[in-house]
Amino acid sequence: DAGVIQSPRHEVTEMGQEVTLRCKPISGHNSLFWYRQTMMRGLELLIYFNNNVPIDDSGMPEDRFSAKMPNASFSTLKIQPSEPRDSAVYFCASSLSRGSETQYFGPGTRLLVL
Amino acid sequence: EDQVTQSPEALRLQEGESSSLNCSYTVSGLRGLFWYRQDPGKGPEFLFTLYSAGEEKEKERLKATLTKKESFLHITAPKPEDSATYLCAVPGSGGSNYKLTFGKGTLLTVNP
Repeated sequence: DAGVIQSPRHEVTEMGQEVTLRCKPISGHNSLFWYRQTMMRGLELLIYFNNNVPIDDSGMPEDRFSAKMPNASFSTLKIQPSEPRDSAVYFCASSLSRGSETQYFGPGTRLLVL
Repeated sequence: EDQVTQSPEALRLQEGESSSLNCSYTVSGLRGLFWYRQDPGKGPEFLFTLYSAGEEKEKERLKATLTKKESFLHITAPKPEDSATYLCAVPGSGGSNYKLTFGKGTLLTVNP
């Protein structure tokens, strides 16, 4: 079975540009998570969707960050405008249902903002 | 606020040299604990979930144990392919049980 799919795997952009990260969760999973990983702060939850509805976006750092989930098989995380401090690895994860079910992670998108 | 601390930050072993990684946590009430493995350039890969003190789970050379205040990941006779960063995480309380708090991880290197 295919796991969580993310694209692109690597993104290099200049400060001020718009960045869009994409995620396809595991089929049948109802919960989707976006995380950011940095050396300083480790893994941090940015936003959580359940049944395509955003439930908790308290981890989204600023209004420059937005996320959508138009259907059960696709989600995007957008940064506009991007800044150098946004450089990190962004992971998407999905789980079978709401609650403390096991979360399965994608391979991540490594973002570098120059 | 839940806190998760992993030690050591880094561990270097010789092939076959058994050891343990520690994950200690301060939570209002244990709701489970997850262990993940992360290889360079990849996403965390799920290993184990432990739900109650005294519980143990095994997978190949790895065994995870849980007490009321900490969890251990025991590695028996490790091989170079066990080299990775090992992360533990605890879920939030009540309606936030989807929210995992991760430790910073232990970087394990196993030399041949």
